[in-house]
Amino acid sequence: DGGITQSPKYLFRKEGQNVTLSCEQNLNHDAMYWYRQDPGQGLRLIYYSQIVNDFQKGDIAEGYSVSREKKESFPLTVTSAQKNPTAFYLCASSILGYEQYFGPGTRLTVT
Amino acid sequence: KQEVTQIPAALSVPEGENLVLNCSFTDSAIYNLQWFRQDPGKGLTSLLLIQSSQREQTSGRLNASLDKSSGRSTLYIAASQPGDSATYLCAGGFNAGGTSYGKLTFGQGTILTVHP
Repeated sequence: DGGITQSPKYLFRKEGQNVTLSCEQNLNHDAMYWYRQDPGQGLRLIYYSQIVNDFQKGDIAEGYSVSREKKESFPLTVTSAQKNPTAFYLCASSILGYEQYFGPGTRLTVT
Repeated sequence: KQEVTQIPAALSVPEGENLVLNCSFTDSAIYNLQWFRQDPGKGLTSLLLIQSSQREQTSGRLNASLDKSSGRSTLYIAASQPGDSATYLCAGGFNAGGTSYGKLTFGQGTILTVHP
């Protein structure tokens, strides 16, 4: 089956710890994206990548980092510098300029 | 800065009713517009994608339109069913120098409840 997988589904961390969220796709898409969703605020773009070994900051990149070493993988690290990391994180991929497909999401809780 | 707005924020209708969800955007340099459905605690499911050269797209009971000149898109759902209950999100992809970077700007969504 083609699609996007995110793991884990739920993640709990202590404040001050870095945490990495996984996103893998087997759709052969060049572009991948990370969004954050908070209640009542819709989705906001964190980082995106149009091609392997290249990525750009989105609207809320502070406190996050990414890498794109392989076409099918785009992991997101939430660092201790992110002030409000508790949120629902969604990964997506697309052929550039066409329909975006989303993974099932990871719910991160930091206490 | 591109902004996408959805009205209403919530909508409750009886089963069988036809309904329209509205989406407006501030930047006429829109490349495409995508409608999504989101069930509670889940990821987004793509419903329809309209490219800027198109006026509308249809899939089953769903029809989405795009009017660049007025900065509006609508999602029409015919003969609504309780299974249509979900949050509906629209998102615009905007040009930058004539090239789409693929980024989407999302509205805040419309929560739809269809009651039997």
